[in-house]
Amino acid sequence: QVQLVQSGAEVKEPGASVKVSCKTSGYTFTNYFMHWVRQAPGQGLEWLGTINPSGVSTTNAQKFRERVTVTRDTSTSTVYIELRSLRSDDTAVYYCARDVADYRSPTGGYFDPWGQGTLVTVSS
Amino acid sequence: EIVLTQSPATLSLSPGERATLSCRASQSVSTYLAWYQQKPGQAPRLLIYDASSRATGIPARFSGSGSGTDFTLTISHLEPEDFAVYYCQQRNNWYSFGQGTKLEIK
Repeated sequence: QVQLVQSGAEVKEPGASVKVSCKTSGYTFTNYFMHWVRQAPGQGLEWLGTINPSGVSTTNAQKFRERVTVTRDTSTSTVYIELRSLRSDDTAVYYCARDVADYRSPTGGYFDPWGQGTLVTVSS
Repeated sequence: EIVLTQSPATLSLSPGERATLSCRASQSVSTYLAWYQQKPGQAPRLLIYDASSRATGIPARFSGSGSGTDFTLTISHLEPEDFAVYYCQQRNNWYSFGQGTKLEIK
C-alpha cells in the first residue's frame, strides 16, 4: 500500500533553516507529483511547493520568496522541503502529499494520500 | 493568486441532518476544485475532486457540485464521524485552499 512517512519534530531558532523529509513507498515514485502543505496551530492549510515527475520544483513564491526549496532523491523515493530564515510564524505542521493521479492522467492537482505531518517549532 | 472563501465559518447541526457547505473562488476555476475533511490531530483526507467526483472509499452521502466560482459540498445525512473541519482547494492556477468550515454537533 502507498505510504508516506515523514521525519520527526524539529525545534529551531529564528533565522535557522530546517529540512523535512518524506519517504514514500508502495508506488512508482517518478510517476507522481509530490506536494508540501503546512498548517499553523489552529489555522488552515497553505500550499508551499510541488515537485514534478521530472524533478522540477515550483514553490509558492508569492508568499515565501526564495525561502523554500523542494527536492527529491529518486534512489530512496524521498522528497524534501527546506525552509530558510525561519521566523516564529513558520511554526506549523508540515505535510507532504502525493498527487491523487499519476502524470499521465488528466485528473491531477489534488492531494492524496498525505504524510503524518512534521511539527516544526521556531522559538528562541 | 486565487482566493477561496468558505462559508459559513462554523455550522452547527445534529446527526441525521443535511449539511451544505459553500466555497467561492475569486476567479473562475472551472471544475478544478476539491474538498477535504480534517479531524483533530490528523492529516486531511480527500473527499471530492473535479468538483463532483468522489474519491476512493468515500461514502455516497458526500456529494459536490458547482463550476466557475461557486461550489457546494453536501453531506446528505450526517453521521457522528462527519463532524470535522472541511476545506476546499483549487488547482486551476497552482494551488490554494479555503480557510475551512468547522462542522460541529449541535
